Amino acid sequence: GAVVSQHPSRVICKSGTSVKIECRSLDFQATTMFWYRQFPKQSLMLMATSNEGSKATYEQGVEKDKFLINHASLTLSTLTVTSAHPEDSSFYICSASLGGRNNEQFFGPGTRLTVL
Amino acid sequence: GQQLNQSPQSMFIQEGEDVSMNCTSSSIFNTWLWYKQDPGEGPVLLIALYKAGELTSNGRLTAQFGITRKDSFLNISASIPSDVGIYFCAGANTDKLIFGTGTRLQVFP
Repeated sequence: GAVVSQHPSRVICKSGTSVKIECRSLDFQATTMFWYRQFPKQSLMLMATSNEGSKATYEQGVEKDKFLINHASLTLSTLTVTSAHPEDSSFYICSASLGGRNNEQFFGPGTRLTVL
Repeated sequence: GQQLNQSPQSMFIQEGEDVSMNCTSSSIFNTWLWYKQDPGEGPVLLIALYKAGELTSNGRLTAQFGITRKDSFLNISASIPSDVGIYFCAGANTDKLIFGTGTRLQVFP
């Protein structure tokens, strides 16, 4: 149980284009999903918290107009990197929480974004 | 953003040896979690701790929630090659996780 998928697993795009990444909870409903970014040899840094049916909450320093998050259903959240630039190249990972007092988060396999 | 301090930063051990790593924070947490991340993959939850002083095992893994609520450790007994990876601690008070800096484990046969 508690399986989270991400699509695509890898994407290469030209500078200036937009890229959409999907995160799905496959066997449970997630009222809250999270988006992280991980640079090589570094830890995971939280970008935003996504709640179903409401606007995402962004961490300090993360541009909400550049990283658009939509949480349209209890099993799907999307992250769109708009007008991507080479410095946006990173490993993007989503997670989903079962909620309640349980703070456990279950992570997707990640999406490797390379912007040329 | 805030990160928790993990030590050691990396470990190179021989198969069969025991491993110990820890995580410290300047602030207290209500939950401590330990994850393992393989290259190019997302983190996988190993152990979750919810109570100060709690000691929990999962197979060859044992983790403890420090009494002060500012630290946690993870032990791996009788290491095997598939234990290779990066181990992250994470603390939480709300639904947000604060991750540690990671411990990279290499196991040699």
